[in-house]
Amino acid sequence: DADVTQTPRNRITKTGKRIMLECSQTKGHDRMYWYRQDPGLGLRLIYYSFDVKDINKGEISDGYSVSRQAQAKFSLSLESAIPNQTALYFCATSDASGSWYEQFFGPGTRLTVL
Amino acid sequence: RKEVEQDPGPFNVPEGATVAFNCTYSNSASQSFFWYRQDCRKEPKLLMSVYSSGNEDGRFTAQLNRASQYISLLIRDSKLSDSATYLCVVYTGNMLTFGGGTRLMVKP
Repeated sequence: DADVTQTPRNRITKTGKRIMLECSQTKGHDRMYWYRQDPGLGLRLIYYSFDVKDINKGEISDGYSVSRQAQAKFSLSLESAIPNQTALYFCATSDASGSWYEQFFGPGTRLTVL
Repeated sequence: RKEVEQDPGPFNVPEGATVAFNCTYSNSASQSFFWYRQDCRKEPKLLMSVYSSGNEDGRFTAQLNRASQYISLLIRDSKLSDSATYLCVVYTGNMLTFGGGTRLMVKP
């Protein structure tokens, strides 16, 4: 079984809809991240959480919110989806010690907003 | 200006060739540097860390030049399986910043 899972894997929705993307991990890591990837722009950080009580905005948090329900779960919400939020979304985790710089990514969620 | 810049490619090379990618970063306070690899439609994975003294892992060599704020990745004896996008990654503060990636296609 995958260590970092994301649901759904693909989603098509309409402008104005509220969408939630979910991420779960079995790696036991404290740190979790949400990124979006657009062609040519690389991955950009949306939000990150270093533990259950810690939530931080990343580079592009506007239009998004997150919830860290447990150490293993980190959800990303689009309150009112718009077409320029069409992208590939990745969740990632990392260990606070040891190889802290190695982030483990989920398989991604491809979101299309019409 | 992007914080981490890479030539998007694609670099088309024959099997067995040596290929080099470069990356520049804008924040002189950046502390650590890495290369990640991303296969088509897959998630990124750590390839290797980059040190000023150079870092070699088999056919892969990474180098950092702090004075020029420049990172490189050299792949020797390219294999078909090396075809992927290579992401230059910089750690600054509490965050990793990813470059847009350089696409490599190794041909038979």
